[in-house]
Amino acid sequence: GAGVSQSPRYKVAKRGQDVALRCDPISGHVSLFWYQQALGQGPEFLTYFQNEAQLDKSGLPSDRFFAERPEGSVSTLKIQRTQQEDSAVYLCASSLQGYNEQFFGPGTRLTVL
Amino acid sequence: DAKTTQPTSMDCAEGRAANLPCNHSTISGNEYVYWYRQIHSQGPQYIIHGLKNNETNEMASLIITEDRKSSTLILPHATLRDTAVYYCIVRTHNNAGNMLTFGGGTRLMVKP
Repeated sequence: GAGVSQSPRYKVAKRGQDVALRCDPISGHVSLFWYQQALGQGPEFLTYFQNEAQLDKSGLPSDRFFAERPEGSVSTLKIQRTQQEDSAVYLCASSLQGYNEQFFGPGTRLTVL
Repeated sequence: DAKTTQPTSMDCAEGRAANLPCNHSTISGNEYVYWYRQIHSQGPQYIIHGLKNNETNEMASLIITEDRKSSTLILPHATLRDTAVYYCIVRTHNNAGNMLTFGGGTRLMVKP
């Protein structure tokens, strides 16, 4: 079956631009996670949804980062006024329930010039 | 969640067993040991997890010491496609959102 998909796979933004990154989780998965992975490092947690409710956003690095999942399926991570330090791979993962195995998408590589 | 310590990198000959160690000396009684791997340009992939007993699946075996302060992931017959970064993670199983806390992982290079 279909896994987690993310779009776009690559995004180049000029500093100061807003970007929106999309995640399509596995159908029926209640939990959805966003992670940020800087070059050469492990992924770091950003935020977590259970259905449409954002239950944890403690990992979002600043108020320029905003995530939503309005209907409990597709999620969007938005970054406003992008900065060079936002350059990273943004990974989305979904799981059946909170602590079950997480299935990751291929990520979106964001480069801010 | 408890912190884990892994070697930065390891090499393994194709066809041989790859043994990847992980130290988690501060693990608490309700924390599980998980292993994920990340092949270049892909998202992380679940491999295996365990609490106390050794576990085996089609991908790997997980050996956890009796005191649970360390574990070893074993890939019994490594192939070139097993070249990846392997992450050892400890986490609880409560129903709240259990994010994964990745460390630096071990970069395994399988060589012909």
